[in-house]
Amino acid sequence: DTEVTQTPKHLVMGMTNKKSLKCEQHMGHRAMYWYKQKAKKPPELMFVYSYEKLSINESVPSRFSPECPNSSLLNLHLHALQPEDSALYLCASSQDVAFYNSPLHFGNGTRLTVT
Amino acid sequence: GIQVEQSPPDLILQEGANSTLRCNFSDSVNNLQWFHQNPWGQLINLFYIPSGTKQNGRLSATTVATERYSLLYISSSQTTDSGVYFCAGWDTGRRALTFGSGTRLQVQP
Repeated sequence: DTEVTQTPKHLVMGMTNKKSLKCEQHMGHRAMYWYKQKAKKPPELMFVYSYEKLSINESVPSRFSPECPNSSLLNLHLHALQPEDSALYLCASSQDVAFYNSPLHFGNGTRLTVT
Repeated sequence: GIQVEQSPPDLILQEGANSTLRCNFSDSVNNLQWFHQNPWGQLINLFYIPSGTKQNGRLSATTVATERYSLLYISSSQTTDSGVYFCAGWDTGRRALTFGSGTRLQVQP
């Protein structure tokens, strides 16, 4: 079982909908990440939170809005998405961003379809 | 940022065969990791291996940091080994992991 939990596993939404993806970890990690993965491609970094503060935004469109309510939780709010945003969204955590010698642990992902 | 290249891109094996996957990176990395993504999309961290050799069951990995490459060995492959294997290195400029394009492995019974 993964120690990073993502909900929901699957999500279908229309282009006018607002939805949220949720991620939770209880390993005491202080860095959390959102990745986007298209079919047959590697994961692409979207956002990094370090100690609950946004430290990296990889020029992600504003229709994706991350939130880190506390050190264990990470949300990704979705609004006015496009069909090309359909992908597997992966949450990950590590001990510390500055502590670069720590393994990255992924959740099982949310498979998002935008209709 | 660093560049990470993996080879081969695709690999088909018969069950029981051995294989070696390679990861080359463009600059020195402090944090080289290998992941396995199963057909259901789950990404599992196999090794954190900035240098040296580690073994975990039928899998082992070796990183030669001075020559900028890492190898993943799979012995006595099983159908459950199928999926995509990614290596990733820490990009000190971006302060994040950069993934290679992956090796897609299919193990046939």
